[in-house]
Amino acid sequence: QQPVQSPQAVILREGEDAVINCSSSKALYSVHWYRQKHGEAPVFLMILLKGGEQKGHEKISASFNEKKQQSSLYLTASQLSYSGTYFCGTERDYGQNFVFGPGTRLSVLP
Amino acid sequence: EAGVAQSPRYKIIEKRQSVAFWCNPISGHATLYWYQQILGQGPKLLIQFQNNGVVDDSQLPKDRFSAERLKGVDSTLKIQPAKLEDSAVYLCASSPREGWDEQYFGPGTRLTVT
Repeated sequence: QQPVQSPQAVILREGEDAVINCSSSKALYSVHWYRQKHGEAPVFLMILLKGGEQKGHEKISASFNEKKQQSSLYLTASQLSYSGTYFCGTERDYGQNFVFGPGTRLSVLP
Repeated sequence: EAGVAQSPRYKIIEKRQSVAFWCNPISGHATLYWYQQILGQGPKLLIQFQNNGVVDDSQLPKDRFSAERLKGVDSTLKIQPAKLEDSAVYLCASSPREGWDEQYFGPGTRLTVT
């Protein structure tokens, strides 16, 4: 079952902050975040596991609320390079049922 | 370290023709994935290999799609016969460990079916 992402799109000015959410109606084992620039392949940002373990880039901040089955990606002091589509992927059980969400398109303007 | 390689980068075929895509994952990576990404949507997993074996192919349209991973390294994805709705970017990714881990994506193959 595909996770829900919100908002669908957001436009920011350089230096502004944004939060992208990913939620599921089913219990999750992990949430993964990727960024894809237009015409390019997705690039890994972060994995958040049930129980609190995280793995990812130092400059990326995210949270995983296990009670709500919701993850949030925090983009602070946005830069032009943050523009792209952000996808969350959810894993329901270890090694199984992985599915990407529909994406959130982020545009950062000068 | 070389990244995930895919070829061809672009392919245009007519419906009912066949096509094959090739992927060479990062050396030593145990897990290989094929995704289909239709314009404006998230990648959809088609098949996941762990070494030589198939872990998940539940979303692979097996009447027309097939995939294999040769000796646990390279992989090919084939479509025969192609339909108009197969027009998409086909992404290959690999990850170093078992289970769902950080995935490294290749540049993709853009398929247009006319």
